[in-house]
Order: sequence, then C-alpha cells, then structure tokens
Amino acid sequence: DQQVKQNSPSLSVQEGRISILNCDYTNSMFDYFLWYKKYPAEGPTFLISISSIKDKNEDGRFTVFLNKSAKHLSLHIVPSQPGDSAVYFCAAKETSGSRLTFGEGTQLTVNP
Amino acid sequence: EAGVVQSPRYKIIEKKQPVAFWCNPISGHNTLYWYRQNLGQGPELLIRYENEEAVDDSQLPKDRFSAERLKGVDSTLKIQPAELGDSAVYLCASSHPWGWNEQFFGPGTRLTVL
Repeated sequence: DQQVKQNSPSLSVQEGRISILNCDYTNSMFDYFLWYKKYPAEGPTFLISISSIKDKNEDGRFTVFLNKSAKHLSLHIVPSQPGDSAVYFCAAKETSGSRLTFGEGTQLTVNP
Repeated sequence: EAGVVQSPRYKIIEKKQPVAFWCNPISGHNTLYWYRQNLGQGPELLIRYENEEAVDDSQLPKDRFSAERLKGVDSTLKIQPAELGDSAVYLCASSHPWGWNEQFFGPGTRLTVL
C-alpha cells in the first residue's frame, strides 16, 4: 500500500506566481516530513522538513504546512522561478526508526 | 565537500547476468543507504548501514540481491541473476550519525535489463 501519496504527477505555473505541491499520508505513526527536489540525472536534494509538533516551517521562498488531522502536507514556493522546475518528492518518517517513505513525486514546471 | 559518488552511471545487461553497483559516501558519513527508484515512483529503501553493519535490510530481496560495506566506507550492491523487473535507478545516500534526516544522495545508476 502507498503510505505517502502525491496525487498530482505534474504542475505548471508561471514565473513569479505561487507553486503549491500537495502530499497525503495514511500512517499515523509518521512524525517527521521532508521535501526533496530532484533534477534530471541527479539524485534527490533535501529541501525542507517539518516535525509533527509544528504546523508550519519556512525557509526563504519555501514553506511547508502540515495538517495532522487531515494527514496532509503541502509545499509552497513563492515566488516561483524557472530554476525551481524539477521533480519534488514528499517523504515521511515514523516515530521509531529512520526509514524514509517517499511519495511518487510531482513534476513542477515554472514557465518564464 | 565532495558528494556521494556512484558508478557506473548507466548499465545495460541481459537478464540472468550479474551486475554490481559501487558507492562512495561523503567523508565522515557513517550511515549509508541503498534505494531503488522505479519509473514514476519515489525511492524505496533496500538497505541501511551504520558503519559496516546492515541495520535495516528488510526490503532487500535476499534471493538475488546482496550488499556489503567493508571497512564501513565504500559499499557495493550486487544483483545475481538480474531479472527484467530489476530495471530501475539505484540510488546511494549517506548521512551524519546525528543528521539522518538530511540524506545526501548520489546521482544514481540507471540499470536496464534486456
């Protein structure tokens, strides 16, 4: 079963606008969530994370929101830039252990 | 700081052949991970090492997959024999003992089994 799900395979936005990438999870034992960015022919790169004790974490243009009751998190990129075009993966970790469970990824395209 | 190095970057083999992937983690990173990423999917953990000890290999198909991390630095992942369904990108990652959440990934090896 897919415990972390990114329902949108792709997203296209205009430069300067907001990009919102969504992620849903089913495992209530997940307590730490991360977003990774991946360019073609490269490995994923850590972007931002959030603990379940918070509902928001901000780092520059990137903000992650966590809604525990809905088991939903989102990544906001404001303003979006063409260099943000990449595949974004949501990942989650259980309270015990360090295994990361990844979603399928969302291809973000930012058009100039 | 040099990143995680993987080789080869691409490998094409026929089914039933053996194949091996090599990974050199970031210097000082005690924890090493091997992931498999199928097309259109996120990475899935195959095995995690703490130094030379495999501490999580529950997802490794042990009938055909093996891994080793001699001396707790470089690691090799082997498939023998390869099957068509093994075609995927094999990613290696490493992290500090205290910074597991920020895993640094290598570029991966794209395996095609014909």
